[in-house]
Amino acid sequence: NAGVMQNPRHLVRRRGQEARLRCSPMKGHSHVYWYRQLPEEGLKFMVYLQKENIIDESGMPKERFSAEFPKEGPSILRIQQVVRGDSAAYFCASSPTENTIYFGEGSWLTVV
Amino acid sequence: SQQGEEDPQALSIQEGENATMNCSYKTSINNLQWYRQNSGRGLVHLILIRSNEREKHSGRLRVTLDTSKKSSSLLITASRAADTASYFCATDPPGGTSYGKLTFGQGTILTVHP
Repeated sequence: NAGVMQNPRHLVRRRGQEARLRCSPMKGHSHVYWYRQLPEEGLKFMVYLQKENIIDESGMPKERFSAEFPKEGPSILRIQQVVRGDSAAYFCASSPTENTIYFGEGSWLTVV
Repeated sequence: SQQGEEDPQALSIQEGENATMNCSYKTSINNLQWYRQNSGRGLVHLILIRSNEREKHSGRLRVTLDTSKKSSSLLITASRAADTASYFCATDPPGGTSYGKLTFGQGTILTVHP
């Protein structure tokens, strides 16, 4: 049973470009979470999704960031018009119910 | 301000010694969890302690929880060089629905010298 799969692991974008980060939850998991980790900080909750529904997006910046978890395919975190401050590690996690969550290896975004 | 704050920020010990890390939080919780993160990697779940538990063991790990002081400690006994990592505590909110909306502390960087 593969773990939470994230790709790409590393992504470099120029300011103003778009970044798309993908997350495939563990098999049988229908709950997906995205977290952001700024350099030398702990993780910050961004959004909680179930299939085709955003349950809690209280940690998402109001502009440029969006997330989806379609009926088919991976969850996508999309960042439009990236700025240097978006450089961070973005972690996806999944859970089968609403209990212990399992983290992926992260996607490291660098904005140059 | 941080819901979870770890102390110390960095800890350097020799192999074989014990390592103790502390975590304080501000609001009521349902569960408290500890995670490990190796440099450049994802988080590995270590242990979960519920708000009605006071102590929990898992291998070389011992976690305590004092809800009256809103604090927790993680003890790693007989440390190994492979324990070198950052350690984070994370809390989830109280209430009927406890999903993975965790609040993480800043972490303790543990270095174990061989």
